[in-house]
Amino acid sequence: GAVVSQHPSWVICKSGTSVKIECRSLDFQATTMFWYRQFPKQSLMLMATSNEGSKATYEQGVEKDKFLINHASLTLSTLTVTSAHPEDSSFYICSANYGLVGGENEQFFGPGTRLTVL
Amino acid sequence: KQEVTQIPAALSVPEGENLVLNCSFTDSAIYNLQWFRQDPGKGLTSLLLIQSSQREQTSGRLNASLDKSSGRSTLYIAASQPGDSATYLCAVGGTYKYIFGTGTRLKVLA
Repeated sequence: GAVVSQHPSWVICKSGTSVKIECRSLDFQATTMFWYRQFPKQSLMLMATSNEGSKATYEQGVEKDKFLINHASLTLSTLTVTSAHPEDSSFYICSANYGLVGGENEQFFGPGTRLTVL
Repeated sequence: KQEVTQIPAALSVPEGENLVLNCSFTDSAIYNLQWFRQDPGKGLTSLLLIQSSQREQTSGRLNASLDKSSGRSTLYIAASQPGDSATYLCAVGGTYKYIFGTGTRLKVLA
């Protein structure tokens, strides 16, 4: 099956610093990648959708200048949390799909990155 | 706007019981519905994916059904085991993105 990896799996940083999280599709080319955030004991909330070679589409309420997304290739998308603060501490999960083929749009999820901002 | 709700929010059952988890969604125009399992502090494990043209999928002790017209899906777990304890999430696939449900925290007691 399709495999998606994330790096790092966990990161601790000081308030005010920036953190970059990578999402890679290992055995397929992902036309679209998605970034989710999950707070403790809550469900996943979609933050943004990124398409290779174009600007990301952010969900309502997500600050695009704070959460920078780059999808430079068909196998790599990065999420940079700029000037991180303790309230940004969360579990970040990415997913990727092949794109719409006959209506099928199964997403394959990475293992997640736990960010703790001190 | 699609909204996805899961009932119950939490469930505790003795080992061996058959159980049903429910997922309801407000917009029936979906491409697929997927059930996931999430262990504490971990990522998502895909359990079953049902395309919009299908009515059910089975994998081992798991069976998921989909009724688009009523906006409902159920996940049936047969002969539950302590190892099934986790949070179960359903996600509804729209034109290009997934909307996740609120989750059901399951605890199976030995």
